Amino acid sequence: SQELEQSPQSLIVQEGKNLTINCTSSKTLYGLYWYKQKYGEGLIFLMMLQKGGEEKSHEKITAKLDEKKQQSSLHITASQPSHAGIYLCGADKTGTASKLTFGTGTRLQVTL
Amino acid sequence: KAGVTQTPRYLIKTRGQQVTLSCSPISGHRSVSWYQQTPGQGLQFLFEYFSETQRNKGNFPGRFSGRQFSNSRSEMNVSTLELGDSALYLCASSLDRSNMNTEAFFGQGTRLTVV
Repeated sequence: SQELEQSPQSLIVQEGKNLTINCTSSKTLYGLYWYKQKYGEGLIFLMMLQKGGEEKSHEKITAKLDEKKQQSSLHITASQPSHAGIYLCGADKTGTASKLTFGTGTRLQVTL
Repeated sequence: KAGVTQTPRYLIKTRGQQVTLSCSPISGHRSVSWYQQTPGQGLQFLFEYFSETQRNKGNFPGRFSGRQFSNSRSEMNVSTLELGDSALYLCASSLDRSNMNTEAFFGQGTRLTVV
């Protein structure tokens, strides 16, 4: 079974709308990473969360980690075409960021 | 500050051949991890090197190997290539501070096609 579940698998939103992507782990994590990937390219680092209850924001993207450090959400406010891509959450179970386990990804399309 | 650099970006090889991919981490980063990404299996951890030693290993056959040099640059090698080895290979580097989570940054990847 997948240790890290991501939902939804795909999302189509109209430009300007808000959206949320969820990432759930069956185990407590040392850290949770969010990345964005354009098809066939490398991963762009978005945010890293490591403390229970932590919340970080960058531009229009906010990520939260729950108190138990097993669930995270990524929220995009007023989506834009530039937000389109695949969003991946990665779980750090070693505390060193050197061996991440990834979710299956959420493909986001933003329509005009 | 330069990011993680992977070379080459694209590669086409024939079944049975071997291939070597290179990764130069961000300056000062001593940990380099390798991942394989395929449509069917997603993003999977291959192995990690720290201070020229393999520290973590994923669940891949012995045909997949790697090494790290004193300047932290890393190479991964795949021998006796199979069609199923076609994938995007990504490397990530991190600072690795003891007892503290650090950010892991990825390169652009090497797209390997085995024909």
